[in-house]
Amino acid sequence: AQKVTQAQTEISVVEKEDVTLDCVYETRDTTYYLFWYKQPPSGELVFLIRRNSFDEQNEISGRYSWNFQKSTSSFNFTITASQVVDSAVYFCALSPPGTGFQKLVFGTGTRLLVSP
Amino acid sequence: DAGVTQSPTHLIKTRGQQVTLRCSPKSGHDTVSWYQQALGQGPQFIFQYYEEEERQRGNFPDRFSGHQFPNYSSELNVNALLLGDSALYLCASSFRTGRGRETQYFGPGTRLLVL
Repeated sequence: AQKVTQAQTEISVVEKEDVTLDCVYETRDTTYYLFWYKQPPSGELVFLIRRNSFDEQNEISGRYSWNFQKSTSSFNFTITASQVVDSAVYFCALSPPGTGFQKLVFGTGTRLLVSP
Repeated sequence: DAGVTQSPTHLIKTRGQQVTLRCSPKSGHDTVSWYQQALGQGPQFIFQYYEEEERQRGNFPDRFSGHQFPNYSSELNVNALLLGDSALYLCASSFRTGRGRETQYFGPGTRLLVL
């Protein structure tokens, strides 16, 4: 069975601080995909990144960066110089093989509050 | 290019009633998945529809059923509503390529309250 753990329930930072959201996953599969989604108050999940289990290269996209470490089953997400607009709930998710990126298994989310 | 749309946005029902939620996928997408998100929790996969058939199913009872139409839109039906069915119901769409399926894009959800 697959499981995603986001131990941080809520994080509060002040604008311009850097913040890291943790994600630890469990799976017996050797091939899988990991995702991060952002859920603003409107409710719609916004896709941020997809990572193949064979690709452990870290990725940077603007102020966002992701650190994938297969050895520790972690896929952490860092926001540099946070902004108020980053306030949202962030979900890490795992997609088992054979589901074509469907049937996502989500963590319970981390609520990020960025204050001015 | 319209994204995933869902209707209605909010709904209030009483226990024992039945409800139908609707989803129109993003333009060009042919696969629809439904998720249930209880308050304070992550979304849970209900089922997926492709070519008008249910292809994958999560751990949900038969009270939850669905349908996909030829235009790829989809409905989620829940019978004999329970208080615990109160949640945000999210629809996600994707499209099938020669290598599998692309990433899902989510709609804004339908918030269902069962009294």
